[in-house]
Amino acid sequence: AQSVAQPEDQVNVAEGNPLTVKCTYSVSGNPYLFWYVQYPNRGLQFLLKYITGDNLVKGSYGFEAEFNKSQTSFHLKKPSALVSDSALYFCAVRDDTGRRALTFGSGTRLQVQP
Amino acid sequence: ETGVTQTPRHLVMGMTNKKSLKCEQHLGHNAMYWYKQSAKKPLELMFVYSLEERVENNSVPSRFSPECPNSSHLFLHLHTLQPEDSALYLCASSQVLSGGRFSPDTQYFGPGTRLTVL
Repeated sequence: AQSVAQPEDQVNVAEGNPLTVKCTYSVSGNPYLFWYVQYPNRGLQFLLKYITGDNLVKGSYGFEAEFNKSQTSFHLKKPSALVSDSALYFCAVRDDTGRRALTFGSGTRLQVQP
Repeated sequence: ETGVTQTPRHLVMGMTNKKSLKCEQHLGHNAMYWYKQSAKKPLELMFVYSLEERVENNSVPSRFSPECPNSSHLFLHLHTLQPEDSALYLCASSQVLSGGRFSPDTQYFGPGTRLTVL
């Protein structure tokens, strides 16, 4: 079985400061890891993914995420937060054993204060 | 239209009604998905269609009936729903690559249909 944990319901950060949104996962095989962002009344928007290779993955809007196999983590980061980054962020995982379903975390609300 | 579109965006229905949700993808993908997003719960996969064949069904009640007539269109037929079925229903699509079901493809989501069952 696969699972994702996002331990923080909400993260607050001041504009211009670095931000981190945490994600840990559990899978049977090797993980495919994804981050999505959801703005109010909108669907999920793809940010970035890790499949294999370099542990640091760069994505849209200046976001990046670091894959850590030993800690089974895939934290989302951005060096300098913008007010417009305020949204709901979801981490998701699939494994490489053939099942197509993405398993999502419960989401973390990011609030960037001006 | 670009990306993944869903209609209607909002739907209110009674428990005895029959309605359908529509999803269309303009990305040339070959797999489509229905997810349910309820308040305070993680997104739940409902159905997966790959090359127009249903390949996954996540123990969804029979009052939800999917239909995938071609690789660009996906429907979710609803009948005799319950108030607890009120949620945001999200459609997604992806391009399954040469690895087949092992392909690490990315799912792209539509804006969702906000369903309220009275």
